[in-house]
Amino acid sequence: DAGVTQSPTHLIKTRGQHVTLRCSPISGHKSVSWYQQVLGQGPQFIFQYYEKEERGRGNFPDRFSARQFPNYSSELNVNALLLGDSALYLCASTIQGQGAILGVIEAFFGQGTRLTVV
Amino acid sequence: AQSVTQPDIHITVSEGASLELRCNYSYGATPYLFWYVQSPGQGLQLLLKYFSGDTLVQGIKGFEAEFKRSQSSFNLRKPSVHWSDAAEYFCAVSWAQKTSYDKVIFGPGTSLSVIP
Repeated sequence: DAGVTQSPTHLIKTRGQHVTLRCSPISGHKSVSWYQQVLGQGPQFIFQYYEKEERGRGNFPDRFSARQFPNYSSELNVNALLLGDSALYLCASTIQGQGAILGVIEAFFGQGTRLTVV
Repeated sequence: AQSVTQPDIHITVSEGASLELRCNYSYGATPYLFWYVQSPGQGLQLLLKYFSGDTLVQGIKGFEAEFKRSQSSFNLRKPSVHWSDAAEYFCAVSWAQKTSYDKVIFGPGTSLSVIP
């Protein structure tokens, strides 16, 4: 089975532009999460989507948006790019616990999209 | 507030020496704990995870970690480090709490260098 796939792998954009990043989760996984990893830091949670609905959102401005499609793939959109948006964007195919076991119990990451804003 | 700390920003060890990377977390809810490794320019690879049961968990590549609830810690260990272990290591936590069950919180990472 294929793992989590992200595209493109690298991207260079100019300030003020818009960007769309794509992610396909592991087959059978219904939940996708997005993380931003700035150089030298740990990944920061942006969004989680489950069954096409936003389930969680991190502390990111409204310029960041996402959606999930019926096949569970997902897009992350960033408008009005800033230099500070330069980062590695990671997509995770996640599994939630069931019943009394809430919480993310599995998170498989893709290789990421390296976004550079100039 | 939920947080994960990794007190050591950078660690250098000799090949063949033992290794311990520290991780502490805050917040009182039941934690689910993970260690990931990241090579330069790559995504995150899961080394091991802990949910319940035996507090000493074994992972891939010879790594193990021990959960100590009283210390809110989940330290990663390896008895003998190989040069290929040089990478960035991230401790991560998910909480079984309805208001925050949707995310995994990562620590800032520890960079490991291995010298011959």
